[in-house]
Amino acid sequence: LAKTTQPISMDSYEGQEVNITCSHNNIATNDYITWYQQFPSQGPRFIIQGYKTKVTNEVASLFIPADRKSSTLSLPRVSLSDTAVYYCLVGDWAGGSYIPTFGRGTSLIVHP
Amino acid sequence: EAGVAQSPRYKIIEKRQSVAFWCNPISGHATLYWYQQILGQGPKLLIQFQNNGVVDDSQLPKDRFSAERLKGVDSTLKIQPAKLEDSAVYLCASSLGRGLAGVGYEQYFGPGTRLTVT
Repeated sequence: LAKTTQPISMDSYEGQEVNITCSHNNIATNDYITWYQQFPSQGPRFIIQGYKTKVTNEVASLFIPADRKSSTLSLPRVSLSDTAVYYCLVGDWAGGSYIPTFGRGTSLIVHP
Repeated sequence: EAGVAQSPRYKIIEKRQSVAFWCNPISGHATLYWYQQILGQGPKLLIQFQNNGVVDDSQLPKDRFSAERLKGVDSTLKIQPAKLEDSAVYLCASSLGRGLAGVGYEQYFGPGTRLTVT
C-alpha cells in the first residue's frame, strides 16, 4: 500500500506560519494529494487537495514539487484553534479499485 | 446541508458479543467508506461502496466483519464476534463519486462510533 511519512508532532505559537511536510515516494501518476484535519472526538475534515505545483484556498496552501514525492501543507498565522492532527492522504490502486490511505498524522500544538 | 450521520456514538460490549453501526451519508453521495481508527493512528479503510456495490473490501476482516449498503443510501457495519483488538473508532465517510481516476473527490466524515470491547 502507498505509504506516507509525516512528523509525529510539531509545536508552534499563535500568529506563526506552520509548514507540515509529507513524504509519499510511491505516489501514483494520476493520484491527488489530500490533507485532512482532525480534532478529538470528531471525524477528519477536508482542508485542501492538489496534484502539482501550488494550490491555495481560504485556510491553507499546498506546495507540491515537480517530482510529487512530497507535499507541504502551509497554515498561515495559526491560532489556538488550529491545534489538531493533520493527515496527508494518497491512494493505491489494487484490483482496479482506488484505496485511500491515511498516514499516522502530525499532531500540531499551537501555544499562546 | 446535513452532514454524515452515525449511530450510536458510543458502544461498550464484551468480547465475543456482536455489534452493529449505522451510517447515513450526505444525500446524493454515491461513494461510502467505512474506516477503523485505532487510538494514535490514522483511519484505515475497511470497505468502500459505490452506490450499493462493493468497490473494495480487501482490508475488511471478513471472518468477523460484514457491511452492506441498502438501496445505495444507508449502510451498516457489523462485527460478530468482537475481539478486544476491535476497540477503536469506526468512521463513516461519503463523497460525490470516485472521479475518472478514483480521485479528486473530498470525503465528508461523520463523528464516528467509539467501540470499547472488554
